[in-house]
Amino acid sequence: EAGVAQSPRYKIIEKRQSVAFWCNPISGHATLYWYQQILGQGPKLLIQFQNNGVVDDSQLPKDRFSAERLKGVDSTLKIQPAKLEDSAVYLCASSPDTNQPQHFGDGTRLSIL
Amino acid sequence: AQSVTQPDIHITVSEGASLELRCNYSYGATPYLFWYVQSPGQGLQLLLKYFSGDTLVQGIKGFEAEFKRSQSSFNLRKPSVHWSDAAEYFCAVGPAAASKLTFGTGTRLQVTL
Repeated sequence: EAGVAQSPRYKIIEKRQSVAFWCNPISGHATLYWYQQILGQGPKLLIQFQNNGVVDDSQLPKDRFSAERLKGVDSTLKIQPAKLEDSAVYLCASSPDTNQPQHFGDGTRLSIL
Repeated sequence: AQSVTQPDIHITVSEGASLELRCNYSYGATPYLFWYVQSPGQGLQLLLKYFSGDTLVQGIKGFEAEFKRSQSSFNLRKPSVHWSDAAEYFCAVGPAAASKLTFGTGTRLQVTL
């Protein structure tokens, strides 16, 4: 079984630029999550999708962050404009449903200069 | 609000020695509890989970954890540590298997030979 795929693995941008991350969940997994993991901290949930609908985006900074999962499969997370404090690893996870544990991708490490 | 405390930021043990990583949680109802492991540059891998039933749960790689409701704890143990166990360990709590998990700040395990 292929795991959760994320790209790119690394991204370096300057502040105020925009950036996008892509996630392809495990086939058949209806639930998809984006987490932000700042160095020295545990992952923090940004947004949760159930198929192509948003279940929880209460911790997503909506003035600069956006995410979509248009066809209920892969997803993109965008930051525009980026701030220095957005430097983090962005993890994508998926699960078959909310009663099954999450499977994580390897993440995208974002550095803001 | 739910929260997780991992009191030990960094632990060093000798290979072959026993290990216990502490996790205390705060949650208003019966929690779903998890331990994940993260190796450098990789995503999180599920070690074990507790939903209900036997309070001693077995996981992968020889790990086990014990749920103690009276102490609000879910400590992770391994009888004999291997050098390959060096990684960051995260405890997490949530209202369901894959909904709005709250992670602790992690414990970095170093194994000396």
